[in-house]
Amino acid sequence: GAGVSQTPSNKVTEKGKYVELRCDPISGHTALYWYRQSLGQGPEFLIYFQGTGAADDSGLPNDRFFAVRPEGSVSTLKIQRTERGDSAVYLCASGEIGRSPLHFGNGTRLTVT
Amino acid sequence: TQLLEQSPQFLSIQEGENLTVYCNSSSVFSSLQWYRQEPGEGPVLLVTVVTGGEVKKLKRLTFQFGDARKDSSLHITAAQPGDTGLYLCAGSFRSSNTGKLIFGQGTTLQVKP
Repeated sequence: GAGVSQTPSNKVTEKGKYVELRCDPISGHTALYWYRQSLGQGPEFLIYFQGTGAADDSGLPNDRFFAVRPEGSVSTLKIQRTERGDSAVYLCASGEIGRSPLHFGNGTRLTVT
Repeated sequence: TQLLEQSPQFLSIQEGENLTVYCNSSSVFSSLQWYRQEPGEGPVLLVTVVTGGEVKKLKRLTFQFGDARKDSSLHITAAQPGDTGLYLCAGSFRSSNTGKLIFGQGTTLQVKP
C-alpha cells in the first residue's frame, strides 16, 4: 500500500519565484495537514484540510502561502514571491478525520537562493 | 518561545547504555505523541499518551505522560545503533483534532557501536 507521496522531493528556486508543492495522501484519508520543518527544528503546523475545505489555516505565515485540495484528495501548497527564509522541508501528513495517527510523507526540501 | 521544550537536544552514547529524553511545557495537552525521524524521511509515530500518569512500553522504549499532562519522558534501555535518529515529542490541545500538533525541537540521538 502506498504511503503519503510528496513531489518534488527537492526544489531549488530563485528568490521571488513562485513554487508549487504537491501531496498525494493515503487513499481514503479525509484529513490532510501541511507542516514546515526548518533545519534543527521540529515541524510547525501550517494548515489542515478536512475534505476539500481548509478547516484551520492559522499556521500559514503570511498571504504568500496558499494551499488547495479541490477534490478532497491531492493537495498543493503554493508559495508566491519566495524568500530565502522560506527554505525548509515541507511535510504533508494524512489521517482519519481530525485524528491521529498521522502518516507523514518524506517531505519536499525547498531551497530558495 | 518554544511551547514544548525537549532536552537534551543532542545525545551521543555507547551501545548498551540507557538514556532518557524529556519533553516539558507549561501548557496542558489533551494528548502527547512521540515520533522518530530518520534523515530524508518524515516523522513516524511511536506512541500516543492520553491519560495523566500513563506509562506505555514499546520493546526497550518506555514512555510516560506526566500527571498534570504537561510533560513527558522517553526512556530507552540498552540502546542499540538502530535507535539512532531524531526523536520528537508533539502535543495536541484538542481531542477533536489530534492531528494539529505542537512539536518540540527534537533530540538527536547517536548510538555508537
